[in-house]
Amino acid sequence: ILNVEQSPQSLHVQEGDSTNFTCSFPSSNFYALHWYRWETAKSPEALFVMTLNGDEKKKGRISATLNTKEGYSYLYIKGSQPEDSATYLCAPLGNDYKLSFGAGTTVTVRA
Amino acid sequence: GAGVSQTPSNKVTEKGKYVELRCDPISGHTALYWYRQSLGQGPEFLIYFQGTGAADDSGLPNDRFFAVRPEGSVSTLKIQRTERGDSAVYLCASSRDRGPGYGYTFGSGTRLTVV
Repeated sequence: ILNVEQSPQSLHVQEGDSTNFTCSFPSSNFYALHWYRWETAKSPEALFVMTLNGDEKKKGRISATLNTKEGYSYLYIKGSQPEDSATYLCAPLGNDYKLSFGAGTTVTVRA
Repeated sequence: GAGVSQTPSNKVTEKGKYVELRCDPISGHTALYWYRQSLGQGPEFLIYFQGTGAADDSGLPNDRFFAVRPEGSVSTLKIQRTERGDSAVYLCASSRDRGPGYGYTFGSGTRLTVV
């Protein structure tokens, strides 16, 4: 199980603004990095699975980058909308093939 | 099925009682995982099944917790002599296989409250 830190713990964004937040994890013993979006009363939804240093993935207005050498990933939301309000979880997959989740960044988009 | 189904969605039980939580994964997914999320924390690994066998149960907190997957599809997490500290959201996930490139599909969880 890896030690994962996500920051900030929560943030409030005005509708239409862009935002980003961080996931930090040990750079060794790492196979892949998962990002999930978890809305209240719903299932965590897979956003990205990234494996390569320098990976950049995009899904609509959401994108993520990965730096495996220094052990961090950024998730970006462009032009935030109320439906982006959720908790965003990152989880590196260690060499024990277990996902270790951070506590999440809770995003609230204000109309 | 189209997604991972977990039942019940909510369970309130008295301290000391026995509970069973059910997970119905996506058809054809060989890997199945149970996680537990306590308030203010990220989900924590409990157990992983590959097919019918528990390949890794190192996350189960103690011997009151047990899980089965007898036919390689539906799984049941069983908790004996429940304690208030067992209150959490129990998440089940499945994936096509185990490995770096495989994403997980999660159910919506069972919220267990022990009173």
